[in-house]
Amino acid sequence: DSGVTQTPKHLITATGQRVTLRCSPRSGDLSVYWYQQSLDQGLQFLIQYYNGEERAKGNILERFSAQQFPDLHSELNLSSLELGDSALYFCASSVGPATGELFFGEGSRLTVL
Amino acid sequence: GDSVTQMEGPVTLSEEAFLTINCTYTATGYPSLFWYVQYPGEGLQLLLKATKADDKGSNKGFEATYRKETTSFHLEKGSVQVSDSAVYFCALSVNNFNKFYFGSGTKLNVKP
Repeated sequence: DSGVTQTPKHLITATGQRVTLRCSPRSGDLSVYWYQQSLDQGLQFLIQYYNGEERAKGNILERFSAQQFPDLHSELNLSSLELGDSALYFCASSVGPATGELFFGEGSRLTVL
Repeated sequence: GDSVTQMEGPVTLSEEAFLTINCTYTATGYPSLFWYVQYPGEGLQLLLKATKADDKGSNKGFEATYRKETTSFHLEKGSVQVSDSAVYFCALSVNNFNKFYFGSGTKLNVKP
């Protein structure tokens, strides 16, 4: 158990809908990272937050947004969903920049029908 | 841009065989390099890391050496076990660990 909690574990929805994925980092970790894992594109870095502030952005679509709250949990919002958004979404946390180790949750599997 | 390329799988080996999974990288500046492992139904977990050139990371019998001259970080293990069956990801971090980039993953199957 990494200590990172992601909910929901599984989610099935329709095209055009909006979903929110939630991540609770390990106790004491200030950084949260979001990744998308799909069969054809591997593990894609989406975005990173540190203590409530966005620190780095990767290949995140404009239809997607995220935030980190004062209690350090984070949410990833996916809107206007398309079939291609079906993937496993991972959250990872670390104590902060310069530690070099990410702790991953078990992921949220999103299926868009 | 920054990226990681690793050999495609799946790799199928017999127990006690020697393992090599190739990983090369492209990065601006001086990245840190990692190997993560993902067991079925679980998230990724750190296997080993190296933060500067010529460093060797090692853990659970696995090792990898940070080779700046060849921009590589190949994963090796002298004798694999069935329990090593998993997907292995090479990764690099830049910008003081604010960005982590992962390779596409290599699935390892070890047969008894």
